[in-house]
Amino acid sequence: NAGVTQTPKFQVLKTGQSMTLQCAQDMNHNSMYWYRQDPGMGLRLIYYSASEGTTDKGEVPNGYNVSRLNKREFSLRLESAAPSQTSVYFCASSGTTGTYTEAFFGQGTRLTVV
Amino acid sequence: DAKTTQPPSMDCAEGRAANLPCNHSTISGNEYVYWYRQIHSQGPQYIIHGLKNNETNEMASLIITEDRKSSTLILPHATLRDTAVYYCIVLMWGTGRRALTFGSGTRLQVQP
Repeated sequence: NAGVTQTPKFQVLKTGQSMTLQCAQDMNHNSMYWYRQDPGMGLRLIYYSASEGTTDKGEVPNGYNVSRLNKREFSLRLESAAPSQTSVYFCASSGTTGTYTEAFFGQGTRLTVV
Repeated sequence: DAKTTQPPSMDCAEGRAANLPCNHSTISGNEYVYWYRQIHSQGPQYIIHGLKNNETNEMASLIITEDRKSSTLILPHATLRDTAVYYCIVLMWGTGRRALTFGSGTRLQVQP
């Protein structure tokens, strides 16, 4: 049981390049999320997916697109990377047992845009 | 979701109890208090949650005041590995709230 797996762990991009961050969970959770964390800051929600086939914008969606490929996988795409997108990106999933909902996070993708 | 207020930083001696406060004076009746922590830029980790009763698990205890306007996370015997940023989050999962919203948290430094 790996939980939430993100790939890659590190990435350096040049301004204007594109890339896709991959996320997969093996907990059969309906909801998945993408956050970014800038140095010294809390996590900010980029996009989330409440269930397979649905996606919604979070607090900071500009410059990103997402795809909920299936129940397990939720990818984040940067079409034209900018230095302002240098950040650590976290994927998460959440599941509910009774009245208790818990979110699990991946270990992050550290992205530098030069 | 109710806003939370936490001190930006705290120190604690190793082996002593760490008491991390959180103010959530605008909490509504169906909102839970969740605590997560983030160790050295790893992904946040769930610690504990509660509605109105005090809760305890293998990691920590959560004390919620009777009026639910504030809470305290207690790490009973802090170790160096508990050095982390601790986030207090108030929310009710479900329609209208689909994700955790993180503030700045409290940076806890456990001193040897």
